[in-house]
This record gives sequence, structure tokens and C-alpha cells, in this order.
Amino acid sequence: QVQLVESGGGLVKPGGSLRLSCVASGFNLSDHYMIWIRQAPGKGLEWLAYISTSGNYKLHADSLLGRFAVSRDNARNSLLLQMTSLTAEDTAVYYCARDGCGAGCSSLYGMDVWGQGTMVTVSS
Amino acid sequence: DVQLTQSPSTLSASVGDRISITCRASRSVSNWLAWYQQKAGRAPKLLIYHSSTLETGVPSRFSGSGSGTEFTLTISSLQPDDIATYYCQEYESYSPWTFGQGTRVEVK
Repeated sequence: QVQLVESGGGLVKPGGSLRLSCVASGFNLSDHYMIWIRQAPGKGLEWLAYISTSGNYKLHADSLLGRFAVSRDNARNSLLLQMTSLTAEDTAVYYCARDGCGAGCSSLYGMDVWGQGTMVTVSS
Repeated sequence: DVQLTQSPSTLSASVGDRISITCRASRSVSNWLAWYQQKAGRAPKLLIYHSSTLETGVPSRFSGSGSGTEFTLTISSLQPDDIATYYCQEYESYSPWTFGQGTRVEVK
């Protein structure tokens, strides 16, 4: 079964750090661009970052001001998001997702598999 | 960065109605546009990619159209199961990605 499972969320104090993980099963993570997205309570979806299949190319949202860093460990079929200098505005459900373009595909096509999300709460 | 503006923000319609949601981009994104459905408390689900290609398993009452800066998601016959918030999203390579602000669909 194709699946993504996030972990690492929780309660953290302002200024703190947190590392989120996303483990893939049922497919080779190394075949897909991977993405992080978040959703603050009652708000819309916000794209955070994506990373190429090899990890050589990454792009983060400007709004993050360099505080977050995406990485991947293809050997462990996992995606990571290191978050630092957290503020209350970072409180959200964090989702990982894969782009549907896999092995043999030549162009990105949208996020076809999503994790269930992990909640991050930044509060003193 | 591209800005995506969806309209309307909320849509109320009856079962069986044909409804459309518009997504306008601040500059051309060619056809690098997807549509997602998100039900309360759930992760989003991909409906349409490349502006008009239906994702496998998505009912044929959903369709997408457009290119460049104006896109439309249409539900040909609204069903109770379609109550959700719908988002457009652009995904150009080597550029930041963006979501629209969402359109909430309610059934009268």
C-alpha cells in the first residue's frame, strides 16, 4: 500500500527547533520529488519546500526566511524537515506529499500521495 | 512569485447543480496547475493535474480547463460527497509553488 507517514510533531516553545520525518512505504521515495506543506488552524494550504529525487535541488518558500530546511534519505525512504526559530505563526498541521511523476516520467504533475499530517504547536 | 486567486471563496449549490470554480494566476503558469479537494480533518486529495487531466479514480463529474492565467474546475452534477474545500496549485519546475486560498463548497 502506497503510504506516507509523518512524525515528529508536538509542542515546542517559541524559539525552539523541531525535526519532522516522513517515511514512505509501498513505493521508492527516490523516484519522486517530495514536498512539505502546512495548514494553520482554520486556514488554507501553504507550500513550504520541495526537493528533487536525488536531493541535489531544493527550494524553500521565501516566507520561511531560511529557518526551515528540507532533506531526504533515500536509503531509508524518508523525507525530513528541520525547523528552527519557531514562532506561534508556525503552529500548523504539517503534511508531506509526493509528486506523482515517478520513474520514467518526464515532468512534475501534482501531489498524488499525502501523509496524514503531524501537528506542530508553538506555545510557551 | 506567482499569486493564485480563487473565486468564489464560498459556493452554495443544490445537489445536481453544475458548479465552477475559477483560479487566476498573476502570470502565466502554462498548464502546470492542479486541483485538490480537502474534506474536513483530512489531507487534500489530487483531482486534476496538468490543468485538465483527471487523476485516476476521480469521478468523471470533475473536470478542469484553462491554460496560462485562467483555470476552471467544474463539477457537472454536485453530489453530497463533494462538500469540501477546493484548492488550485501551480507547480512550475524550479520555481516556488503556490496554492490558491481555497473555495468552500456547501450543499443547500
